[in-house]
Amino acid sequence: KAGVTQTPRYLIKTRGQQVTLSCSPISGHRSVSWYQQTPGQGLQFLFEYFSETQRNKGNFPGRFSGRQFSNSRSEMNVSTLELGDSALYLCASKPQGAAGELFFGEGSRLTVL
Amino acid sequence: AQKVTQAQTEISVVEKEDVTLDCVYETRDTTYYLFWYKQPPSGELVFLIRRNSFDEQNEISGRYSWNFQKSTSSFNFTITASQVVDSAVYFCALSEAAGYSSASKIIFGSGTRLSIRP
Repeated sequence: KAGVTQTPRYLIKTRGQQVTLSCSPISGHRSVSWYQQTPGQGLQFLFEYFSETQRNKGNFPGRFSGRQFSNSRSEMNVSTLELGDSALYLCASKPQGAAGELFFGEGSRLTVL
Repeated sequence: AQKVTQAQTEISVVEKEDVTLDCVYETRDTTYYLFWYKQPPSGELVFLIRRNSFDEQNEISGRYSWNFQKSTSSFNFTITASQVVDSAVYFCALSEAAGYSSASKIIFGSGTRLSIRP
């Protein structure tokens, strides 16, 4: 069974630009969550999607958004990038009924210059 | 508010030693889940265990064991006879258990970097 796949793995952007990150969950998993990991703030929950609907949201500004498609693939977008958005963005999928048992991808490392 | 504290930032032990990773949590919820995740150098977090707040039984899985004590709000993780492959960052985490939708919003501790020296 293929794991959670995130693309791109690495990217460099400049302040003010926007970025879109993609996540393909494990086949059959309908829940997809996004987390931001930084050395200063650690792992922080961004949002969760289930069946194309945002089901939960963390405390991030509106510049951070996401969506989920009918095949459960998800994208997150960050607009007007700031230096502080440099982070490892982790996507996780979850099987039905498995509370908190998240399967994570290897992440997309974003560097904002 | 929910909070998870892992006071040990880094631990280094020699292979075959036992090591315990501490975790203290805060929550006002009466029902909640506790977790441990492992993050090896590759970056991909790996789920290790989930504990429901109603279940205070300790658990052992091979060389891993978990001690959940509600009275002290602690959920400690012990690795017995550590091996080099255990080297990773370990995260303790917490989520409310009001429904499956909430259990994806996980509050992670700051992590403990464990280094096992050969």
